Amino acid sequence: DTEVTQTPKHLVMGMTNKKSLKCEQHMGHRAMYWYKQKAKKPPELMFVYSYEKLSINESVPSRFSPECPNSSLLNLHLHALQPEDSALYLCASSQDFQGGRPQHFGDGTRLSIL
Amino acid sequence: QKEVEQNSGPLSVPEGAIASLNCTYSDRGSQSFFWYRQYSGKSPELIMFIYSNGDKEDGRFTAQLNKASQYVSLLIRDSQPSDSATYLCAVNTNAGKSTFGDGTTLTVKP
Repeated sequence: DTEVTQTPKHLVMGMTNKKSLKCEQHMGHRAMYWYKQKAKKPPELMFVYSYEKLSINESVPSRFSPECPNSSLLNLHLHALQPEDSALYLCASSQDFQGGRPQHFGDGTRLSIL
Repeated sequence: QKEVEQNSGPLSVPEGAIASLNCTYSDRGSQSFFWYRQYSGKSPELIMFIYSNGDKEDGRFTAQLNKASQYVSLLIRDSQPSDSATYLCAVNTNAGKSTFGDGTTLTVKP
């Protein structure tokens, strides 16, 4: 069990659907992250929120839209995804962003695009 | 040159042996260094972090950092079959981003 909770664990969606991934942490961490991980590859950073503000967007396509409603929650809104977007999506949190603190990962959402 | 490079695997050791995992990085401004373990189909799990030159021990795990050589390693003593996983090295710069190596897959044979 991890202290970063992601829902759903699995998601299958068509290319025209709209869905959202959710992430929650109650460790008081002020930095939250979205990563994408393909099989046998390392996690690839997508977005970083620091104190609820978007700090980094790694040139992610606009079909991925992050949202940080409060310091404990992070969402990733999905729309018009492509088959190559099928991957494991990982949320992580850390005490802060620039302090070099370790990141704690959730269990991930395995996303399949039909 | 990749920003973070790990020794290419897979690495296979017998049960009870010491497994040695290595990582080099290119940014001299890097400040924080992490080792994550990832079992197949699971998410990365933090096992060690180190900020200062030298050794840091936690149970069977020892992280070693040499900033002059831009090198960080992870030693696993008394390796167990349950240690079989992919080990990811991650390096943070002052900017805060973590850059991950490609990972080294370790197999511990009973």
